[in-house]
Amino acid sequence: RKEVEQDPGPFNVPEGATVAFNCTYSNSASQSFFWYRQDCRKEPKLLMSVYSSGNEDGRFTAQLNRASQYISLLIRDSKLSDSATYLCVVRGNTGGFKTIFGAGTRLFVKA
Amino acid sequence: DGGITQSPKYLFRKEGQNVTLSCEQNLNHDAMYWYRQDPGQGLRLIYYSQIVNDFQKGDIAEGYSVSREKKESFPLTVTSAQKNPTAFYLCASSEGTGSSGANVLTFGAGSRLTVL
Repeated sequence: RKEVEQDPGPFNVPEGATVAFNCTYSNSASQSFFWYRQDCRKEPKLLMSVYSSGNEDGRFTAQLNRASQYISLLIRDSKLSDSATYLCVVRGNTGGFKTIFGAGTRLFVKA
Repeated sequence: DGGITQSPKYLFRKEGQNVTLSCEQNLNHDAMYWYRQDPGQGLRLIYYSQIVNDFQKGDIAEGYSVSREKKESFPLTVTSAQKNPTAFYLCASSEGTGSSGANVLTFGAGSRLTVL
């Protein structure tokens, strides 16, 4: 079993749609959680950190369920510019450099 | 502007040759990392360094070497011993290496290596 698992997609949605990505992680001792966005042939960039109480940044909402070891990202009112790969990232506390990246979920937003 | 600069952006290598990828940061970050990304896979850690003159192997260090002689610089050498070197290589840095959410990774633009 992979340490961080994501549905690879692709998700094809029309502009204005709401889309949700899920991610599960295997290490219950994981401490920090993030979503990164990666455009084609570019570097990953931090989209948002994920907090236990859930957090929102504009059209983006992240949720964490520690009991189920599950993270989600919800994008509302999708824009063409949201088309990218979304990486789920989990960090443990056994040497903070133990940052594990999911393989990513590909999103295509169409006009 | 602060950031991480990787060079070259594209590199072609013949089998049997060593190549060195450059990574320079002006963020005053203590920790630096090298990752490899292959299609359909998550990023995999090659080497990391918490402080100058110290570095540790990651999950896939075989066939690679690094140095950390200056805080700003963390070059990666892909040696001829690396069996499948064609990949997208990403350098990253963070303020520290603890589990604090403040220690998020910032990436350079990457170097794409192709072995001919």
